[in-house]
Amino acid sequence: NAGVTQTPKFQVLKTGQSMTLQCAQDMNHEYMSWYRQDPGMGLRLIHYSVGAGITDQGEVPNGYNVSRSTTEDFPLRLLSAAPSQTSVYFCASRAGYGYTFGSGTRLTVV
Amino acid sequence: ELKVEQNPLFLSMQEGKNYTIYCNYSTTSDRLYWYRQDPGKSLESLFVLLSNGAVKQEGRLMASLDTKARLSTLHITAAVHDLSATYFCAVDDWGGADGLTFGKGTHLIIQP
Repeated sequence: NAGVTQTPKFQVLKTGQSMTLQCAQDMNHEYMSWYRQDPGMGLRLIHYSVGAGITDQGEVPNGYNVSRSTTEDFPLRLLSAAPSQTSVYFCASRAGYGYTFGSGTRLTVV
Repeated sequence: ELKVEQNPLFLSMQEGKNYTIYCNYSTTSDRLYWYRQDPGKSLESLFVLLSNGAVKQEGRLMASLDTKARLSTLHITAAVHDLSATYFCAVDDWGGADGLTFGKGTHLIIQP
């Protein structure tokens, strides 16, 4: 049972480049979400999904795009990377009251 | 807007001592989560508190929830070095976004 799998683990981008952070879960959870973690800020919600075909914005959605075509996958797209998007990104899924977090992607934008 | 405040944000303590981390939140939600994070790692779930008066204990850690005061505490008893980590509380707001709102975290260092 893999849980929540995030790829890549590390990534360096140049300003203006685009990329997709992958998140997959094998627990058949309907709810999935993306967070970013910055020093001293805790984790902040970017986007979330309550099921395939349904997504919504969280606290800090600007500069990010998501889609949910299957229950298993919830990719996060950076359309035009900026240095302010340098952060650690966590994907999480939920069933009932329990959240399961992925191992994170450390992204640096130069 | 849901707000979650933790204090202290930084705590240095000696092994064997007791201490408490406080988590205040602004919503009426009665679901409160505590996580541990080691440097460079993901979040490890410690406790999920689901109702007023809930108390859970695991080893030297005990968490409680007072929904009327909108306050949760994480109490550390006879601290040991292995408990050094960053601890986060988070609240699940069913009325708004489907996700967690986190406090800024408490960076805990336990010195021998």
